[in-house]
Amino acid sequence: AQTVTQSQPEMSVQEAETVTLSCTYDTSESDYYLFWYKQPPSRQMILVIRQEAYKQQNATENRFSVNFQKAAKSFSLKISDSQLGDAAMYFCAYRDPNTDKLIFGTGTRLQVFP
Amino acid sequence: SQTIHQWPATLVQPVGSPLSLECTVEGTSNPNLYWYRQAAGRGLQLLFYSVGIGQISSEVPQNLSASRPQDRQFILSSKKLLLSDSSFYLCAWSAGQGASYEQYFGPGTRLTVT
Repeated sequence: AQTVTQSQPEMSVQEAETVTLSCTYDTSESDYYLFWYKQPPSRQMILVIRQEAYKQQNATENRFSVNFQKAAKSFSLKISDSQLGDAAMYFCAYRDPNTDKLIFGTGTRLQVFP
Repeated sequence: SQTIHQWPATLVQPVGSPLSLECTVEGTSNPNLYWYRQAAGRGLQLLFYSVGIGQISSEVPQNLSASRPQDRQFILSSKKLLLSDSSFYLCAWSAGQGASYEQYFGPGTRLTVT
């Protein structure tokens, strides 16, 4: 069965600095999607970034970028120029191509200090 | 643009009472629809998903049920609530045949069973 692991329950970063959140997953599929979601205190899940497994180029969305290592099954999120509004829970998710279901990690709580 | 609504935002119900949470999506047709549950500080647990009207798949057998009476309406129900049903419930949608299959989430319902 596919699993998603986020080994960092909590991370902290100084405002304007860069932080990287880790995610690893397990699958036997070759074509799939990976996502990072942000959950602020309001608890609404917000899509941050997506990565298609067959694309070698790492996805980028403004200050958010990923380091996708397909062979290592690693999908980390880098947040540059961190802002106070980035403080939230971040969830990594894998989309099972056979069932269309998202499998979520347990989340990483990011604190941003001024 | 597509939007997803959930109501109520907050609900306090006594043990043994019925439950009905509603989710509607605007701006798209034939979406896949999902109900998730999230305990405080935890990840998301998929409860039900639907690929079309009247088509419901259950992930976790329990006293909850789901229905999809219309294309863009998804309802989560219970005949008798348990204390353990207290949680945060999220509805999500994805394109039935989309390019990247990401799921978009509603604002959620915080349910407290007393």
